[in-house]
This record gives sequence, C-alpha cells and structure tokens, in this order.
Amino acid sequence: SQQGEEDPQALSIQEGENATMNCSYKTSINNLQWYRQNSGRGLVHLILIRSNEREKHSGRLRVTLDTSKKSSSLLITASRAADTASYFCATESNSGGYQKVTFGTGTKLQVIP
Amino acid sequence: KAGVTQTPRYLIKTRGQQVTLSCSPISGHRSVSWYQQTPGQGLQFLFEYFSETQRNKGNFPGRFSGRQFSNSRSEMNVSTLELGDSALYLCASRPDRGTLDTQYFGPGTRLTVL
Repeated sequence: SQQGEEDPQALSIQEGENATMNCSYKTSINNLQWYRQNSGRGLVHLILIRSNEREKHSGRLRVTLDTSKKSSSLLITASRAADTASYFCATESNSGGYQKVTFGTGTKLQVIP
Repeated sequence: KAGVTQTPRYLIKTRGQQVTLSCSPISGHRSVSWYQQTPGQGLQFLFEYFSETQRNKGNFPGRFSGRQFSNSRSEMNVSTLELGDSALYLCASRPDRGTLDTQYFGPGTRLTVL
C-alpha cells in the first residue's frame, strides 16, 4: 500500500459545513503536502507543512501535523460547492540521498449546494 | 510564468504499441517527476529527472522509461503497451532548492490502451 492512507475515502457535506480529512503515513518525513485534484485533471498544490511544524493556515485551510502519530489532517472551513474535488496528501522523505514524494490514496469530497 | 505543459492531452493506443509523452516544466525548474494515476492504484511515482539524469525511480517495469533534455523538458516512453497502462500520466516540476520545494503539476495526459 502507499505511504499515505487517507480517511475517509469519500465525504459528502452541505455547503457551509467544515470538512476534515486525515492522512496517515509510515516512515519519517521531511514535509507533508496537500493537493487538490478536480475530476481527471492535474493536481493543485494547497499547502506544505514541514516536519518541525505542527499547524499551518492558508485562507480557509488548516493543516495539522503530528509526527509522533505519523498523521496529518486537512480542515476546510465554510465549504463551498467549488471545493468539490479529490484531496491528496503527499509525504516527502529521504530516499538514497534524494527527496522522494509518495502520495496517499485520496479523499473524494463532495460539497452539496 | 507559464505553468507545466503536457502533450498530448489525450491519446488512444492499442496493445503492443509504444507511446511517448512530453512535459515542459516551468521556466527555471530543473527537476521533473512523472506519476501514473489509475483508479485502482492511485498516484504512483514513476521517476524523477534532474539535470538530464534520472535520480529516482519507482517500482515500474523497464517498459517505462524517460529522459530529460538540456532545456529541462522531459519525455516519458512506454513500450509494448498493455491494457493496464491506461491511466492519467502527470508530470510535475520543481526548482529543486531543497526540502521546501513545491511540485507544480501539469494537466496530465490521458492514455487509453485498447
């Protein structure tokens, strides 16, 4: 299985509600990033959190990182229909002296207007 | 700056054929990575090129290969196509300044193998 496992696999909420997605990983990381992907298209980078950071905000996004539990969460507040997309976490770790990026399985978010 | 571009956007091939996909990174970015995305396996890392050298490789058979040119543009080749190679192929570029680099993804090439 991939390094990052995301939970839930799918989430359906009403517009205006908050959405929380979780990501767990297995090995030590340098940083963790969250991406959004609209149906069948490229990934858009949302936020990067370093391994020595615990929380980061960007607009309506809040990311937390708990390296002791090897987990991260992405919170989208006051969701909008346009937030409907798949969300992926990606861990970056050292591999043979280089940086290796490993993606999680993704959470499919549906925001109902 | 223009974003990462990938050509072609859509491709239909038959089993046994070979295919070449192209990726042009953001100007100034030296690292290009390739990923395969399928509904069953998710996003899987194929390989990364930096300064015309492959410096990282995922767990894919030798049918998958790539190269990078002096202008950082990269190509990915898949030989002897199989039905299971049908996927969205994404490339991503980064400046490669260290662990705080963000990857910027292209729109992908949708490959269908019949």
